[in-house]
This record gives sequence, C-alpha cells and structure tokens, in this order.
Amino acid sequence: QITLKESGPTLVKPTQTLTLTCSFSGFSLSARGVGVGWIRQPPGKALEWLAHIYWDDDKPYSPSLRSRLTITKDTSNNQVVLTMTNMDPVDTATYYCAHSRGGSKFDNWGQGTLVTVSS
Amino acid sequence: QSVLTQPPSVSGAPGQRVTISCTGSSSNIGADNDVHWYQQLPGTAPKLLIYDNTNRPSGVPDRFSGSKSGTSASLAITGLQAEDEADYYCQSYDSASVARVFGGGTKLTVL
Repeated sequence: QITLKESGPTLVKPTQTLTLTCSFSGFSLSARGVGVGWIRQPPGKALEWLAHIYWDDDKPYSPSLRSRLTITKDTSNNQVVLTMTNMDPVDTATYYCAHSRGGSKFDNWGQGTLVTVSS
Repeated sequence: QSVLTQPPSVSGAPGQRVTISCTGSSSNIGADNDVHWYQQLPGTAPKLLIYDNTNRPSGVPDRFSGSKSGTSASLAITGLQAEDEADYYCQSYDSASVARVFGGGTKLTVL
C-alpha cells in the first residue's frame, strides 16, 4: 500500500523560503520508473504542477517557477524535499506530493498541507 | 490560465449522463501524450479516476469512461449519482515545456 504525507510550516512570511517534506512508504524511489511530484492548489483554484523527481535523479520543474524551486530525494529515508524561495502571498495554497510510475499520471496522493504566506 | 481548457461547470440530474471536455494543443494532448482524469471531492486530495486516456484504476466504477481525439479528451459519467458531485481535472504532459499540465477544473453539480 502506497502512502505519502506532506509536512512543513503552516505559515511563512513573505520573502522567506518554504521547505516541505514528503514522507512516503510502500515504494522505493530507487526503483526504475518511479517518481514523486509536487502539485499545489490555491484556495478555490485549480491544481498546478510544480516539480518532479525521478528514480534516476532527473528533476523537471515548472517553467514559470523553476528559478524558485529545488527538489531533492533521500532514498534511504523515503523522503522528498521541495524548497521554494522568496515566498509571496499568492503562493498560499495546499501543497500535495504524489507518486508516479510509468507515464505522467499521479496514482497516489498525499493528504496535502495548507501553507499560508502572510506577514 | 491553465494549459488545458475545461468548462468551469457542468450539471445533470441523477441517472443522467454528462461529459466534461479537456482541450489542449499540438504540444500536449495533440502530441500523443496521454490524458489522465482526477476526481476531487470537497476537502480531499485528488484521486486518479482515468489514466492513459481510457483506463480505470481498480475500484473506479465503469460509469466513468474516458476518450481522446486529436487535441482534446473527454470524461463521461453515466448514471449520475449524488456522490459524483466533485471537481474534475484533466492532466497531460506538454512536450514543448517538458512539464505536466493540468486543466482548470470542472465542478460537477448533481441536481
């Protein structure tokens, strides 16, 4: 059974750096074809893909946010970390991590964590 | 502005059939990239509903079906039930930007 869970601060101030951790079980991020992605959803708005990390350490980023994002993996501890710099109130959203294997679909999602950006 | 275009809302009475469209371009759906659909019930995380255009994960009722043609895809729901009231999102891959892309979401209301 695959499970994922996001953790991190619920409140950050403008210009600060956000660090989110995705802790997972039920799969190995060293297995061929496996990946973990981050997706966010502002309140009442649509889903937006942010970044992905694959088993081979390939790391595609959203073109519009690439300069602010860094994604890394800790295979031995089953974690993926996303950092986003220079946070702004428009970055207020629920942030999800999700599993993928083969293709671009996300077949298992975490419950999400709401991050509010406010001074 | 989402890369994939969906109608903001659709509605139907219990038992009826509704469809939700997802329109892309030659760099995503039209580039032979697969389309996936997610159901997001209020206050919950999205759930994979249809993958690779037409396939249902285990446990998804066969009332849900997907199709794809050219630069568009569609999700059809037959025998509408009150529990189907949710937001639905399409997703694909954009070869030009090397990015996963989502639609703007469609809110389904069961009348």
